Amino acid sequence: DGGITQSPKYLFRKEGQNVTLSCEQNLNHDAMYWYRQDPGQGLRLIYYSQIVNDFQKGDIAEGYSVSREKKESFPLTVTSAQKNPTAFYLCASSIDLETNYGYTFGSGTRLTVV
Amino acid sequence: AQKVTQAQTEISVVEKEDVTLDCVYETRDTTYYLFWYKQPPSGELVFLIRRNSFDEQNEISGRYSWNFQKSTSSFNFTITASQVVDSAVYFCALSDANAGGTSYGKLTFGQGTILTVHP
Repeated sequence: DGGITQSPKYLFRKEGQNVTLSCEQNLNHDAMYWYRQDPGQGLRLIYYSQIVNDFQKGDIAEGYSVSREKKESFPLTVTSAQKNPTAFYLCASSIDLETNYGYTFGSGTRLTVV
Repeated sequence: AQKVTQAQTEISVVEKEDVTLDCVYETRDTTYYLFWYKQPPSGELVFLIRRNSFDEQNEISGRYSWNFQKSTSSFNFTITASQVVDSAVYFCALSDANAGGTSYGKLTFGQGTILTVHP
């Protein structure tokens, strides 16, 4: 079945460390997105990519980095510069950036800084 | 800037009650899309509905119905005869669109409403 796979489901990080969250899709979607979810704040866009080797900052990109070397993969790195990284991170994809039939979401990664 | 407001942070009902989740949006665009997503405890967001700004007809899908009113910038969601399985976080979202009516694909989400349905 086609879908989005995020791994790991739970991740613990020590302060000062970088950590990378994985997102893989087999839907042949061009566009991919990373959102952060905090209680009471809904989902906020971190980065998005509409094509391989291209990505754009979203509303809260500071302290994060991404890459899009393959169409299927859009990993997110949470760097030590991110001041409050503990959150639930959701990856999503859509057919492309201009055809809006909604997103397909992964099941998320819960990151906790210890 | 776009904004989506879900004023109800949490709603608690007893099974078989009807419940309405409110969504109010702000946008300067004349063409836009509105969405509702359901987030069960597993965490994955599930797509429920998409509506474009030119279609103000109400929609019904089983126990779910949606009321879109451009005059009040609202896109409310009603669950009839609620069930325990409806317990989840529900998000309303808005996407802008270019003049051609397609969309840029980036969604602005509301804060979410936690719905708890008790047996």
